[in-house]
Amino acid sequence: QVQLVQSGAAVKEPGASVKVSCRASGYTFSIYYIHWVRQAPGQGLEWMGVILPGGATTNYAQKFQGRVTMTRDTSTSTAYMEVSSLRSDDTAVYYCAREENYYDTSGRYVRGKIDYWGQGILVTVSS
Amino acid sequence: QSVLTQPPSASGTPGQRVTISCSGSSSNIGSNIVNWYQQLPGTAPKLLIHSNNHRPSGVPDRFSGSKSGTSASLAISGLQSEDEADYYCAAWDDSLNGPVFGGGTKLTVL
Repeated sequence: QVQLVQSGAAVKEPGASVKVSCRASGYTFSIYYIHWVRQAPGQGLEWMGVILPGGATTNYAQKFQGRVTMTRDTSTSTAYMEVSSLRSDDTAVYYCAREENYYDTSGRYVRGKIDYWGQGILVTVSS
Repeated sequence: QSVLTQPPSASGTPGQRVTISCSGSSSNIGSNIVNWYQQLPGTAPKLLIHSNNHRPSGVPDRFSGSKSGTSASLAISGLQSEDEADYYCAAWDDSLNGPVFGGGTKLTVL
């Protein structure tokens, strides 16, 4: 069965960096996009970016460009996200999630079906 | 402020039918599939409805989705206490080249 298992919680000081991991199993890691989504305490879901493990292609939300780096290690089926210059408002639960793509009956390539999520890890930014 | 608009709260009594709306634009809901997620307290979101109106295996048929134009809705019939959760709509956005989410709707079972 598909599983995404994320690294443990972290407490960081403002200005530091954090690197979180997401280990995938139960499917072919390289051909499914991995998204990173965060959720601040009591808030909604916020998309940060996406990586296609096979070619390491990335696309970051404009808000996070220059501060977020997404990478992967195909030998261990693990995706990583590093966030630098942390601020207090980066305190959130960070999720990785898999996207399943397909062609619909008219032959159109469909994006956006995020089907499996990691358990999420809490990153706390505090001095 | 979320790109997709949902009511912040909804409620119903056991056995009732409730609906949650989700409004977007031509660059997201108007041209792409809508998915719905259920998030129980302290847990990760779970895919509830995909591709506008399809239920993944294991999701009860009490849950249904629909889409029309730039809006979508989630309906829950035969409301149960375990349905108390946050519900999020999501769709791909062609302008952002990424998914966008609604702000979430907190469902309370009275």
